[in-house]
Amino acid sequence: GNSVTQMEGPVTLSEEAFLTINCTYTATGYPSLFWYVQYPGEGLQLLLKATKADDKGSNKGFEATYRKETTSFHLEKGSVQVSDSAVYFCALSSGGYQKVTFGTGTKLQVIP
Amino acid sequence: NAGVMQNPRHLVRRRGQEARLRCSPMKGHSHVYWYRQLPEEGLKFMVYLQKENIIDESGMPKERFSAEFPKEGPSILRIQQVVRGDSAAYFCASSFLDGHSGNTIYFGEGSWLTVV
Repeated sequence: GNSVTQMEGPVTLSEEAFLTINCTYTATGYPSLFWYVQYPGEGLQLLLKATKADDKGSNKGFEATYRKETTSFHLEKGSVQVSDSAVYFCALSSGGYQKVTFGTGTKLQVIP
Repeated sequence: NAGVMQNPRHLVRRRGQEARLRCSPMKGHSHVYWYRQLPEEGLKFMVYLQKENIIDESGMPKERFSAEFPKEGPSILRIQQVVRGDSAAYFCASSFLDGHSGNTIYFGEGSWLTVV
């Protein structure tokens, strides 16, 4: 079946540091890939997505590239801010009904 | 353009009572997911519904939990005879499958159930 593996957290960074959160997947066919962000006490918000190989999704300074050869979709940001502190979820959709499968989430803490 | 609406946002139930959580999908969306999130934990898939049809309920506990998405009205997640372990945040998400851009799902703000 489909699965998503994310790096374990929490990830603690200083403000303006470079961020990478690793995500790899296993899926049949050609999945679409997503990153969602969850701030404390809130629901998940779509951060970015990519629907085919070599696509790059980007939003709010975050970006991720769909790498079919390595089955990866790593999230990156050049300079994190305290306001980026949240939990980040990698996800994919695949199959006839395009069921969405989530990773376990990675908590990011950015300290001033 | 209203997003996914969940209510109630917060619900307190005594052990043994029933909890009903409602989810109105985004306009035009025909598919609904329910997820459960325990404190400091990730999302656990529960059920995936299309109007009047359950697509995948592999994450639903076999007893006390049920879900529906009728032709008219919101999707309902029903928990009978609640126990303390049911205390969690329950998130609904909806989507519209267009076959071209993947299945992008949009989340509601969640319903926090506390069982006392």
